[in-house]
Amino acid sequence: KAGVTQTPRYLIKTRGQQVTLSCSPISGHRSVSWYQQTPGQGLQFLFEYFSETQRNKGNFPGRFSGRQFSNSRSEMNVSTLELGDSALYLCASSPGQGTNTEAFFGQGTRLTVV
Amino acid sequence: SQKIEQNSEALNIQEGKTATLTCNYTNYSPAYLQWYRQDPGRGPVFLLLIRENEKEKRKERLKVTFDTTLKQSLFHITASQPADSATYLCALEHGNNRLAFGKGNQVVVIP
Repeated sequence: KAGVTQTPRYLIKTRGQQVTLSCSPISGHRSVSWYQQTPGQGLQFLFEYFSETQRNKGNFPGRFSGRQFSNSRSEMNVSTLELGDSALYLCASSPGQGTNTEAFFGQGTRLTVV
Repeated sequence: SQKIEQNSEALNIQEGKTATLTCNYTNYSPAYLQWYRQDPGRGPVFLLLIRENEKEKRKERLKVTFDTTLKQSLFHITASQPADSATYLCALEHGNNRLAFGKGNQVVVIP
């Protein structure tokens, strides 16, 4: 079974630009969550999608948005990039049928804002 | 405020010994708690899940305890090996399919 795939692996963007990151979950998984990981804050929850609907949202500004497609693939978008948005962005998939399931993480997208 | 605390100092341990990591939390009431392993530049990998009504869970050389009164979980790696060197993260259930993570505790196993 293929794992969670995130593209691209690395990105360098300029302040003020926008960026779109992609996540393909494990086949059959309907829940996709996004996390931002920085050395100072650790892993922080951004949002979670299940069957194309956002079920949960973390405490991030509206510049961070996401969506999920009918095939469960998900994208997240960050507009008007700031230097502080530099981080490892991780996507995790799970079956989504219950709450006590493990999350399968992708390798992440390393975003650098200059 | 809500907090999940893991030791920020790396744990250096001799090969063959038992490594013990602590996860303390405040103002959470998790139905379950999970432990993940993360290697540099990679995403976390799930290790163990323990529910609020379970005291202890084991998997091979790993053991996790969960004390909801103390609001603490302990994670043990017995007979540690250099390949166990990594950062270990605890994560609490925080709503429907949502996890809140600690910042992680690095383990270095010295041959």
